[in-house]
This record gives sequence, structure tokens and C-alpha cells, in this order.
Amino acid sequence: GAVVSQHPSWVICKSGTSVKIECRSLDFQATTMFWYRQFPKQSLMLMATSNEGSKATYEQGVEKDKFLINHASLTLSTLTVTSAHPEDSSFYICSAPSRTGGSYEQYFGPGTRLTVT
Amino acid sequence: DAKTTQPPSMDCAEGRAANLPCNHSTISGNEYVYWYRQIHSQGPQYIIHGLKNNETNEMASLIITEDRKSSTLILPHATLRDTAVYYCIVRGSSGSARQLTFGSGTQLTVLP
Repeated sequence: GAVVSQHPSWVICKSGTSVKIECRSLDFQATTMFWYRQFPKQSLMLMATSNEGSKATYEQGVEKDKFLINHASLTLSTLTVTSAHPEDSSFYICSAPSRTGGSYEQYFGPGTRLTVT
Repeated sequence: DAKTTQPPSMDCAEGRAANLPCNHSTISGNEYVYWYRQIHSQGPQYIIHGLKNNETNEMASLIITEDRKSSTLILPHATLRDTAVYYCIVRGSSGSARQLTFGSGTQLTVLP
């Protein structure tokens, strides 16, 4: 199946700094990628949809100026958490759809654990 | 996308079949049932999906009731590595590249 990677797998940063997380589709192209956030013992919540060549669309309640998304190419989307605070500590996961036969399946990255101190 | 209801947790003995139920009573005719699982601290993994016929692949079987209001994911011989949160998701056309909406899922614990 298709493979999605994320980098880094974990990161610790100080409050007030910015952190960039990369999401790559390794063996397929993705004009759309999705960013999710998952807090401990909770389910995945969609944050935003990353669109290659155009602006990202954000879910209600997600600050677009805080979570900057850039879909630089058909295989790379980046999420930058600006001026991170401890409440931004979470597990960030990206996904990308890949067409298999007549249907799409979502392939997920392994996730990035962000800890803000 | 239709709402789904799953039990919060289930246990299963290693080597036995794990049967995970999902209710989706408001499913519409063109909506598919997808199953994903998430092992602790990893990204979700696709398992199987179906419309109305039963489906089987190398990982699992999916049984959908005739009225399509519920389904069961079957792991025929559960192993310790199958311990994970299992998500049942209903969504429109499998030809769509839209995002997935996750509910709370079922925590399956496979016991030795």
C-alpha cells in the first residue's frame, strides 16, 4: 500500500518557539493532505485540509495564523505551529488519499509527538 | 456522513476470533462502512471497507447486516499485536478523497 511519512517523529520545544512538521507521500502524489490532532485518550480531530497550489482550509476553532500549512509540492505538506504553548502539546497526524482501483483510501503518517515546555 | 456507535472497550483471548460491532442506523444508500485501527502512539491503519456485501481480506472480515444498519469487524485469530483502538467510519462514495471523521472507537485488548 501507499506510504506516508512524517518528520520528526517527536519534538520538544520551549514555549514561544515555532515547530515545523513535515508530511510526505513517498510513493504517490497527493493534491490534498489532511492534518489531525489527537490529545491523550481522545480521538483524532481534523484540524485542516492542505491543498497543493492553494490555501489550506481550516476547521472551525483552529487558528490559521497559529497553525501554518504549506503544501509545497504534490508529495509534501508542512504544518508549522507558531508561538507554541504547552496546550499545543499533542500528537499530530497527517493523511493523504491514494486511489486504489476504483476507490480512495486514506493513508496515515506515523504521527509526530509535540511537547511544549 | 452517518454517525456510528461502538462499545468503548472489548477484551479477546489470544488466538480467538475478535468480533467488533458497530451501529450505523442512519446510514444512507451510497455510504460505505470503513474500519481503521490505531495502535498506541501510531497513525491509523486501514483495515477494510464495504458497501453492502460482506468483505474479506488478509487482515479481517467485514459483515454488514442486510438492512445495513450495523456491521461487525472480525479478526479471525487475534494476536497480542491486534491490541488497538478500532474505528468504524461511515462515509460517502469510496471514490471520494475527503477526510475521515473519527468517533471514539473501541479499545480492543487481546489477552494472553
